[in-house]
Amino acid sequence: EDKVVQSPLSLVVHEGDTVTLNCSYEVTNFRSLLWYKQEKKAPTFLFMLTSSGIEKKSGRLSSILDKKELFSILNITATQTGDSAVYLCGALGGVIGTDKLIFGTGTRLQVFP
Amino acid sequence: NAGVMQNPRHLVRRRGQEARLRCSPMKGHSHVYWYRQLPEEGLKFMVYLQKENIIDESGMPKERFSAEFPKEGPSILRIQQVVRGDSAAYFCASSRLQKRTGELFFGEGSRLTVL
Repeated sequence: EDKVVQSPLSLVVHEGDTVTLNCSYEVTNFRSLLWYKQEKKAPTFLFMLTSSGIEKKSGRLSSILDKKELFSILNITATQTGDSAVYLCGALGGVIGTDKLIFGTGTRLQVFP
Repeated sequence: NAGVMQNPRHLVRRRGQEARLRCSPMKGHSHVYWYRQLPEEGLKFMVYLQKENIIDESGMPKERFSAEFPKEGPSILRIQQVVRGDSAAYFCASSRLQKRTGELFFGEGSRLTVL
């Protein structure tokens, strides 16, 4: 059965800390790995990773994919209170002709001043 | 270019009633996905539709739940004879036909409360 596992489930840090969020996946015909940030409402897109070893960066956020180990990490440096959210990892795959995006349960990050 | 539009944003139903949730995808998007999110949990895949076709409904409960995406109009997720356990946020997402690597755009969600 396809699955995505995220760790830790929750994380509490102080502003300025660096955090690493983990995501492992087992998905049929894997095509890409996506990270989303969810605050009170709709998940917002952060990164899409399709190739191993190529880091994607957006400001203080970065992410990398390891397709051999079926693993991805999301790093946030110099955290701010506005980074507090649930971070969702999703793996896109499925039998040919479908595009099934399976999400993990998310990592809840709380950043305190 | 409006994003993914879902309505209603909040819906309250009594046990046994029907709930209909609507989703209009982004302009130019012909793939729609429905997810359910329980409090403190991640997004659980329910169903994936293209216009007039259900592509993958492996996440849909076998009874009481149905989904459609007609040629004209929004996608509809229908829950018949709702029970308290159906209370959740239901998110719709859409993507473009040719974009096989998958960025999905999410709506704001419809929060169903069953009394």
